[in-house]
Amino acid sequence: AQTVTQSQPEMSVQEAETVTLSCTYDTSENNYYLFWYKQPPSRQMILVIRQEAYKQQNATENRFSVNFQKAAKSFSLKISDSQLGDTAMYFCAFMKFQGAQKLVFGQGTRLTINP
Amino acid sequence: DVKVTQSSRYLVKRTGEKVFLECVQDMDHENMFWYRQDPGLGLRLIYFSYDVKMKEKGDIPEGYSVSREKKERFSLILESASTNQTSMYLCASSPQTGGLETQYFGPGTRLLVL
Repeated sequence: AQTVTQSQPEMSVQEAETVTLSCTYDTSENNYYLFWYKQPPSRQMILVIRQEAYKQQNATENRFSVNFQKAAKSFSLKISDSQLGDTAMYFCAFMKFQGAQKLVFGQGTRLTINP
Repeated sequence: DVKVTQSSRYLVKRTGEKVFLECVQDMDHENMFWYRQDPGLGLRLIYFSYDVKMKEKGDIPEGYSVSREKKERFSLILESASTNQTSMYLCASSPQTGGLETQYFGPGTRLLVL
Protein backbone atom coordinates (compact mmCIF):
# COMPACT_ATOMS: atom_id res chain seq x y z
CA ALA A 1 0.00 0.00 0.00
CA GLN A 2 1.09 3.53 -0.67
CA THR A 3 1.59 6.05 2.11
CA VAL A 4 2.16 9.80 1.98
CA THR A 5 3.73 11.72 4.85
CA GLN A 6 3.75 15.45 5.45
CA SER A 7 5.92 16.09 8.47
CA GLN A 8 5.09 19.78 8.96
CA PRO A 9 1.62 20.17 10.51
CA GLU A 10 1.88 23.98 10.48
CA MET A 11 4.06 26.62 8.89
CA SER A 12 4.02 30.39 8.99
CA VAL A 13 5.94 32.91 6.87
CA GLN A 14 5.86 36.58 6.04
CA GLU A 15 4.30 37.84 2.85
CA ALA A 16 6.71 37.86 -0.13
CA GLU A 17 8.95 35.18 1.42
CA THR A 18 9.62 31.82 -0.14
CA VAL A 19 8.35 28.72 1.64
CA THR A 20 8.88 25.02 1.04
CA LEU A 21 6.44 22.33 2.11
CA SER A 22 7.76 18.81 2.49
CA CYS A 23 6.22 15.55 1.35
CA THR A 24 7.58 12.03 1.28
CA TYR A 25 5.87 8.92 0.05
CA ASP A 26 6.34 5.21 0.01
CA THR A 27 5.50 3.01 -2.96
CA SER A 28 6.82 0.03 -4.87
CA GLU A 29 5.37 1.41 -8.13
CA ASN A 30 7.71 2.75 -10.78
CA ASN A 31 5.22 4.96 -12.57
CA TYR A 32 2.76 7.16 -10.73
CA TYR A 33 1.46 10.70 -10.34
CA LEU A 34 1.97 13.19 -7.54
CA PHE A 35 -0.18 16.18 -6.72
CA TRP A 36 -0.35 19.17 -4.42
CA TYR A 37 -3.84 20.35 -3.51
CA LYS A 38 -4.76 23.56 -1.71
CA GLN A 39 -7.76 24.00 0.60
CA PRO A 40 -8.31 27.67 1.51
CA PRO A 41 -10.27 28.41 4.69
CA SER A 42 -13.96 27.53 4.12
CA ARG A 43 -13.37 27.07 0.41
CA GLN A 44 -13.12 24.15 -1.96
CA MET A 45 -10.02 22.07 -2.51
CA ILE A 46 -8.24 22.92 -5.75
CA LEU A 47 -5.28 21.47 -7.60
CA VAL A 48 -2.04 23.46 -7.33
CA ILE A 49 0.42 21.40 -9.32
CA ARG A 50 0.98 17.85 -10.56
CA GLN A 51 3.95 15.73 -11.57
CA GLU A 52 4.31 12.56 -13.59
CA ALA A 53 6.94 10.30 -12.05
CA TYR A 54 8.40 9.32 -15.41
CA LYS A 55 9.23 12.94 -16.16
CA GLN A 56 12.52 14.10 -14.68
CA GLN A 57 11.77 17.77 -15.16
CA ASN A 58 10.19 19.39 -12.15
CA ALA A 59 6.72 20.85 -12.71
CA THR A 60 6.15 24.60 -12.32
CA GLU A 61 2.99 26.69 -12.26
CA ASN A 62 3.70 30.40 -11.94
CA ARG A 63 4.92 30.95 -8.33
CA PHE A 64 4.56 27.25 -7.48
CA SER A 65 7.21 24.68 -8.26
CA VAL A 66 8.11 21.22 -7.04
CA ASN A 67 11.34 19.46 -6.23
CA PHE A 68 10.73 15.86 -7.24
CA GLN A 69 13.38 13.41 -6.06
CA LYS A 70 12.24 10.00 -7.25
CA ALA A 71 15.00 7.97 -5.64
CA ALA A 72 14.44 9.65 -2.30
CA LYS A 73 10.64 9.48 -2.75
CA SER A 74 10.36 13.15 -1.97
CA PHE A 75 8.01 15.72 -3.51
CA SER A 76 8.31 19.17 -1.95
CA LEU A 77 6.33 22.26 -2.94
CA LYS A 78 8.01 25.65 -3.17
CA ILE A 79 5.93 28.82 -3.11
CA SER A 80 7.82 31.90 -4.22
CA ASP A 81 6.83 35.48 -3.40
CA SER A 82 4.11 34.20 -1.05
CA GLN A 83 0.83 36.09 -0.94
CA LEU A 84 -1.91 36.38 1.68
CA GLY A 85 -4.15 34.33 -0.60
CA ASP A 86 -1.76 31.40 -0.28
CA THR A 87 -2.97 30.88 3.29
CA ALA A 88 -4.53 27.41 3.22
CA MET A 89 -4.19 23.74 4.06
CA TYR A 90 -1.92 22.04 1.56
CA PHE A 91 -2.18 18.34 0.83
CA CYS A 92 0.28 16.15 -0.99
CA ALA A 93 -1.29 13.21 -2.84
CA PHE A 94 -0.23 10.09 -4.73
CA MET A 95 -1.99 8.21 -7.53
CA LYS A 96 -0.98 5.01 -9.24
CA PHE A 97 -0.27 5.21 -12.95
CA GLN A 98 -2.71 2.47 -13.83
CA GLY A 99 -5.84 1.07 -12.28
CA ALA A 100 -8.42 2.89 -10.22
CA GLN A 101 -7.76 6.62 -10.10
CA LYS A 102 -7.65 6.85 -6.33
CA LEU A 103 -5.72 9.53 -4.50
CA VAL A 104 -3.78 8.78 -1.33
CA PHE A 105 -3.35 11.94 0.71
CA GLY A 106 -0.87 13.10 3.29
CA GLN A 107 -1.88 14.59 6.62
CA GLY A 108 -1.76 18.16 5.37
CA THR A 109 0.24 21.27 6.24
CA ARG A 110 -1.52 24.39 7.46
CA LEU A 111 0.29 27.36 5.90
CA THR A 112 -0.26 30.88 7.16
CA ILE A 113 1.06 33.89 5.27
CA ASN A 114 1.43 36.88 7.59
CA PRO A 115 1.20 40.50 6.36
CA ASP B 1 -16.03 25.19 -15.08
CA VAL B 2 -16.60 21.91 -13.33
CA LYS B 3 -19.05 22.20 -10.51
CA VAL B 4 -19.38 19.68 -7.71
CA THR B 5 -22.10 20.44 -5.22
CA GLN B 6 -22.98 18.82 -1.92
CA SER B 7 -26.46 18.94 -0.45
CA SER B 8 -25.52 20.47 2.91
CA ARG B 9 -22.61 22.49 4.29
CA TYR B 10 -23.46 21.65 7.90
CA LEU B 11 -25.48 18.80 9.34
CA VAL B 12 -26.31 17.80 12.90
CA LYS B 13 -27.67 14.32 13.53
CA ARG B 14 -28.30 12.06 16.49
CA THR B 15 -26.64 8.73 17.16
CA GLY B 16 -28.47 5.93 15.37
CA GLU B 17 -30.03 8.11 12.70
CA LYS B 18 -29.72 7.22 9.03
CA VAL B 19 -27.87 9.99 7.23
CA PHE B 20 -27.76 10.75 3.52
CA LEU B 21 -25.08 12.96 1.99
CA GLU B 22 -25.67 13.89 -1.62
CA CYS B 23 -23.16 14.93 -4.25
CA VAL B 24 -23.88 16.15 -7.77
CA GLN B 25 -21.43 16.98 -10.56
CA ASP B 26 -22.26 18.70 -13.81
CA MET B 27 -19.35 17.66 -16.05
CA ASP B 28 -20.41 14.17 -17.07
CA HIS B 29 -17.51 12.63 -15.12
CA GLU B 30 -17.34 8.87 -14.84
CA ASN B 31 -15.48 8.75 -11.52
CA MET B 32 -16.89 9.95 -8.24
CA PHE B 33 -15.38 9.70 -4.76
CA TRP B 34 -16.29 10.16 -1.12
CA TYR B 35 -13.59 11.15 1.40
CA ARG B 36 -13.62 12.06 5.02
CA GLN B 37 -11.24 14.69 6.32
CA ASP B 38 -10.01 14.68 9.90
CA PRO B 39 -7.31 16.86 11.51
CA GLY B 40 -3.94 15.16 11.46
CA LEU B 41 -5.18 12.37 9.20
CA GLY B 42 -5.71 14.20 5.93
CA LEU B 43 -8.31 12.84 3.54
CA ARG B 44 -9.19 9.17 3.55
CA LEU B 45 -11.16 7.45 0.81
CA ILE B 46 -14.45 5.88 1.90
CA TYR B 47 -15.93 4.68 -1.41
CA PHE B 48 -15.61 5.45 -5.06
CA SER B 49 -17.55 4.74 -8.23
CA TYR B 50 -16.32 4.59 -11.80
CA ASP B 51 -19.71 4.13 -13.46
CA VAL B 52 -23.41 4.11 -12.75
CA LYS B 53 -24.36 1.39 -10.28
CA MET B 54 -20.68 0.51 -9.81
CA LYS B 55 -18.94 1.03 -6.49
CA GLU B 56 -15.73 0.01 -4.83
CA LYS B 57 -14.60 0.21 -1.24
CA GLY B 58 -11.92 2.64 -0.32
CA ASP B 59 -9.71 2.54 2.75
CA ILE B 60 -12.37 3.12 5.43
CA PRO B 61 -15.75 1.80 4.21
CA GLU B 62 -16.96 0.42 7.54
CA GLY B 63 -20.21 2.02 8.66
CA TYR B 64 -20.88 3.57 5.25
CA SER B 65 -22.61 2.61 2.02
CA VAL B 66 -23.06 4.42 -1.28
CA SER B 67 -25.49 4.67 -4.15
CA ARG B 68 -25.00 5.77 -7.73
CA GLU B 69 -28.21 5.47 -9.72
CA LYS B 70 -27.40 8.33 -12.11
CA LYS B 71 -24.08 9.37 -13.54
CA GLU B 72 -24.14 12.84 -12.02
CA ARG B 73 -25.15 11.85 -8.49
CA PHE B 74 -23.26 9.91 -5.82
CA SER B 75 -24.77 9.45 -2.39
CA LEU B 76 -23.05 8.49 0.84
CA ILE B 77 -25.19 6.76 3.44
CA LEU B 78 -24.47 6.36 7.12
CA GLU B 79 -26.80 3.50 8.05
CA SER B 80 -26.68 4.21 11.78
CA ALA B 81 -24.71 7.32 12.59
CA SER B 82 -22.21 7.14 15.42
CA THR B 83 -20.22 9.88 17.18
CA ASN B 84 -16.97 8.67 15.60
CA GLN B 85 -18.43 9.58 12.21
CA THR B 86 -18.38 13.25 13.15
CA SER B 87 -16.16 14.66 10.42
CA MET B 88 -15.88 16.73 7.24
CA TYR B 89 -17.06 14.78 4.19
CA LEU B 90 -15.76 15.72 0.76
CA CYS B 91 -17.07 14.53 -2.57
CA ALA B 92 -14.97 14.62 -5.73
CA SER B 93 -15.30 13.71 -9.40
CA SER B 94 -12.94 13.14 -12.30
CA PRO B 95 -13.09 12.02 -15.91
CA GLN B 96 -12.10 8.51 -16.90
CA THR B 97 -9.35 9.72 -19.21
CA GLY B 98 -6.28 9.03 -17.19
CA GLY B 99 -4.52 9.50 -13.91
CA LEU B 100 -3.19 12.96 -14.54
CA GLU B 101 -6.70 14.35 -14.61
CA THR B 102 -7.37 16.27 -11.46
CA GLN B 103 -10.16 15.42 -9.12
CA TYR B 104 -12.66 18.25 -8.64
CA PHE B 105 -13.91 18.65 -5.12
CA GLY B 106 -17.16 19.83 -3.62
CA PRO B 107 -17.31 22.34 -0.75
CA GLY B 108 -17.67 19.64 1.89
CA THR B 109 -20.30 18.72 4.46
CA ARG B 110 -19.39 19.14 8.10
CA LEU B 111 -21.32 16.46 9.99
CA LEU B 112 -21.77 16.48 13.73
CA VAL B 113 -23.23 13.35 15.33
CA LEU B 114 -24.51 13.88 18.86
